[in-house]
Amino acid sequence: NAGVMQNPRHLVRRRGQEARLRCSPMKGHSHVYWYRQLPEEGLKFMVYLQKENIIDESGMPKERFSAEFPKEGPSILRIQQVVRGDSAAYFCASSPSSATAYEQYFGPGTRLTVT
Amino acid sequence: LAKTTQPISMDSYEGQEVNITCSHNNIATNDYITWYQQFPSQGPRFIIQGYKTKVTNEVASLFIPADRKSSTLSLPRVSLSDTAVYYCLVGGSNTNAGKSTFGDGTTLTVKP
Repeated sequence: NAGVMQNPRHLVRRRGQEARLRCSPMKGHSHVYWYRQLPEEGLKFMVYLQKENIIDESGMPKERFSAEFPKEGPSILRIQQVVRGDSAAYFCASSPSSATAYEQYFGPGTRLTVT
Repeated sequence: LAKTTQPISMDSYEGQEVNITCSHNNIATNDYITWYQQFPSQGPRFIIQGYKTKVTNEVASLFIPADRKSSTLSLPRVSLSDTAVYYCLVGGSNTNAGKSTFGDGTTLTVKP
């Protein structure tokens, strides 16, 4: 059973460009979470999605950030008009149900660098 | 949601047992306690989860006293490869994920 997959692993964007980060959850998992980790800091929750639904986006910046988890295909975290402060590691996690109380399985992350 | 407090850092030597304690004074009745491990440049890895008393798996043990206001992650006979950041999370379901963060965790350094 393949783990959570994220791509690309490294992404470089110039200020003002768009960044699209992809996450394929573990087989059988229908819940996806996105986190951001700045250097030397802990993970910060961004958004929790189920298939075709955003359950909790309380950690998402109000502007430029969006996320989706379509019926088919990976979950996408989209950052429009990136700025230097968006440089961070973005981790995706998945779980099989909402009753597992933080038993989440993480991907290797996408490291975004904004130049 | 329950706030957690952990030591910022701990040092140990190879072969020793390491105990990392997490305080969660206002844990709710339906909250579970979950620990993660994170190596540099990698995503966190689920280690262990418990509700009360003691839970043991092939990696670690989790001790939870009767009042559940704290918990202790125990790593037996650590090796250099156990050097990592360890996070304690408290919550009742993943629907609470938006109300909590991983915090700063405990940086464990294992020395030869």
